Amino acid sequence: GAVVSQHPSWVICKSGTSVKIECRSLDFQATTMFWYRQFPKQSLMLMATSNEGSKATYEQGVEKDKFLINHASLTLSTLTVTSAHPEDSSFYICSARVPWKGHSSYTFGSGTRLTVV
Amino acid sequence: AQTVTQSQPEMSVQEAETVTLSCTYDTSESDYYLFWYKQPPSRQMILVIRQEAYKQQNATENRFSVNFQKAAKSFSLKISDSQLGDAAMYFCALGSSNTGKLIFGQGTTLQVKP
Repeated sequence: GAVVSQHPSWVICKSGTSVKIECRSLDFQATTMFWYRQFPKQSLMLMATSNEGSKATYEQGVEKDKFLINHASLTLSTLTVTSAHPEDSSFYICSARVPWKGHSSYTFGSGTRLTVV
Repeated sequence: AQTVTQSQPEMSVQEAETVTLSCTYDTSESDYYLFWYKQPPSRQMILVIRQEAYKQQNATENRFSVNFQKAAKSFSLKISDSQLGDAAMYFCALGSSNTGKLIFGQGTTLQVKP
């Protein structure tokens, strides 16, 4: 249980275009989704927190106009990289907090490898 | 601010031996969770073990166990009887009960030698 499906798993786009990444919770309702960015052999850096029905909150240093997050339903959160540039090339992962034995745990999408050319 | 520090970028262990990965953290919250995640080359995040901060007893999951020292804010992972499949990048993570945010350490790449 508690599966998050992330698509696409891999995408190449041209500089200046926009790319949308989707994360769907398949068997639970995700009121909150977290978005991370990971460079090769580095840590997962939290970019933003999306909450269903409200505006996302961004971590310091993350451009909210470049990384648009929408959480329109309890099962879908999207990250749109706008006007992408080569430096936006990275691995993006979503995560949702899920109940676990009366407490919290986290489930992750399989990630999206974005290459901007 | 919450921080997680893993001071060992790389570790190596012989198959069937035991290895310990270090992690320290900092938080002002009293209620939080600690996790170890494994990230193989597929980059899928896999939960290895978790610990609630209020529990004094160290968590164990088969060959994986932790040494949770709350006062020292230390949370190390011990892997016993290491297997070739254990080779991966391991991340220590701190979860806030308040905000739900999960913050990761820098990661430790574990190599298992046959």
